[in-house]
Amino acid sequence: EDQVTQSPEALRLQEGESSSLNCSYTVSGLRGLFWYRQDPGKGPEFLFTLYSAGEEKEKERLKATLTKKESFLHITAPKPEDSATYLCAARSGFQKLVFGTGTRLLVSP
Amino acid sequence: GAGVSQSPSNKVTEKGKDVELRCDPISGHTALYWYRQSLGQGLEFLIYFQGNSAPDKSGLPSDRFSAERTGGSVSTLTIQRTQQEDSAVYLCASSFGEQQPQHFGDGTRLSIL
Repeated sequence: EDQVTQSPEALRLQEGESSSLNCSYTVSGLRGLFWYRQDPGKGPEFLFTLYSAGEEKEKERLKATLTKKESFLHITAPKPEDSATYLCAARSGFQKLVFGTGTRLLVSP
Repeated sequence: GAGVSQSPSNKVTEKGKDVELRCDPISGHTALYWYRQSLGQGLEFLIYFQGNSAPDKSGLPSDRFSAERTGGSVSTLTIQRTQQEDSAVYLCASSFGEQQPQHFGDGTRLSIL
């Protein structure tokens, strides 16, 4: 059965303190690894898609990387506005996404 | 441009009543998805539409749940004889094609009393 596991469940950082979020996946025939950001009361906002091991994508202070078993979301010098829940999802043979339960990130000034 | 629109944003109803949730996808998006997000749980896939047909209904939790899509655009998710365990946020997403990223609405928060 396809499975996505995210760690840690929650992460508290000081402004400027860089860190990484982990997403481990077990899917048959990965056809995309997705990162989303979700703010309270809102729907997930698309950040990145990664398709093959070794691929990297960057956007502002965020960088996503992919290996054959994991993906990492690196946050460099975070700001309070980066506080949100970050969701990882994997797509296999069908079109549905299998989501992890997310990492709640809080960045304090 | 306009994103995915869902209505109502909140719905409170009594156990046993039927509810209809609506999703307006991004214009031109052919694929449409419904997910459910319960407290402390990840998003759970319910159903996928390509055009008006639903090739994958595997996530619908029971026969009380049904969905349709008309004109390749608006979709409604219907829950009959609601139960307390149906309380959740129901999220709709759409994508330009099957291989493109899914873009989400803000969901309908459903509470069953």
